[in-house]
Amino acid sequence: EVQLVESGGGLVQPGGSLRLSCATSGFTFNTYWMIWVRQAPGKGLEWVASIKPDGSETYYVDSVKGRFTISRDNAKDTLFLQMNSLRVEDTAVYYCTGAPPSHDWGQGTLVTVSS
Amino acid sequence: SYVLTQPPSMSVAPGQTARITCGGNNIRSKNVHWYQQEPGQAPVLVVYDSTDRPSGIPERFSGSNSGNTATLTISRVEAGDEADYYCQVWDRSTDWLFGGGTKLTVL
Repeated sequence: EVQLVESGGGLVQPGGSLRLSCATSGFTFNTYWMIWVRQAPGKGLEWVASIKPDGSETYYVDSVKGRFTISRDNAKDTLFLQMNSLRVEDTAVYYCTGAPPSHDWGQGTLVTVSS
Repeated sequence: SYVLTQPPSMSVAPGQTARITCGGNNIRSKNVHWYQQEPGQAPVLVVYDSTDRPSGIPERFSGSNSGNTATLTISRVEAGDEADYYCQVWDRSTDWLFGGGTKLTVL
C-alpha cells in the first residue's frame, strides 16, 4: 500500500522558515518525479515544486522561486520542502504526491503564516 | 502562459449526467488529468490521460478531450459525487497547472 505522510507544518510569522517532510512507503521512491501541491483556505489547488528522481532537476512556481527549495533523500524515501521568507499568502495545506497523474496523496500539512 | 478555465459551479439532479468542462488553447494536444476533492480531504484521481480511469473509480466517471475543451462526464450522478473537481495539464510555460475547480452540487 502506498503511503505518503507529510509533517512539519505549523504557525510561523511572516519572514520565517519551515521545513516540510513527506515520508513515503509502498513504492519505489527513487524512480518517481515528486511534487508539492498547496491549497490556500477556500481556494483551488496549486502546483508548487517538482523534483526529478535523482534530485538533479527542480522546478518551481514563480511565486516561490528563490524562497522555497524542494529536495529528497532517496535513502530514506523522503521528500522535503524548505520554505524561507514566508509570506501570509503562503498559508495553505501542503500536499506531497508523485508527479501527475497523481494516484496517491498524503493527508496534507497546514502551514499558517501570520503575525 | 497557459490557462485552464473551469466553470466555478454547477448543479445536477440525482440520476442525471454532469459534464464538467476544462477549457484551454488546443487542449486536445495535452494529457488532461481530473481530480475529485471532498471538503477537508486530499484530492482523488478520477480520470487520467484524458480518458483513462484508475482502478477503483466507477465506470460512471469518464473523460473526453477535443479541440479547446476537455470534459469530465459523471453519469447517473449520486449524492456522494458532490465535491470539487479540478482538471490538470502540463505546459512548458507553467509546468503543472490546475484549473480553478468546479464545485458540483447534487440537488
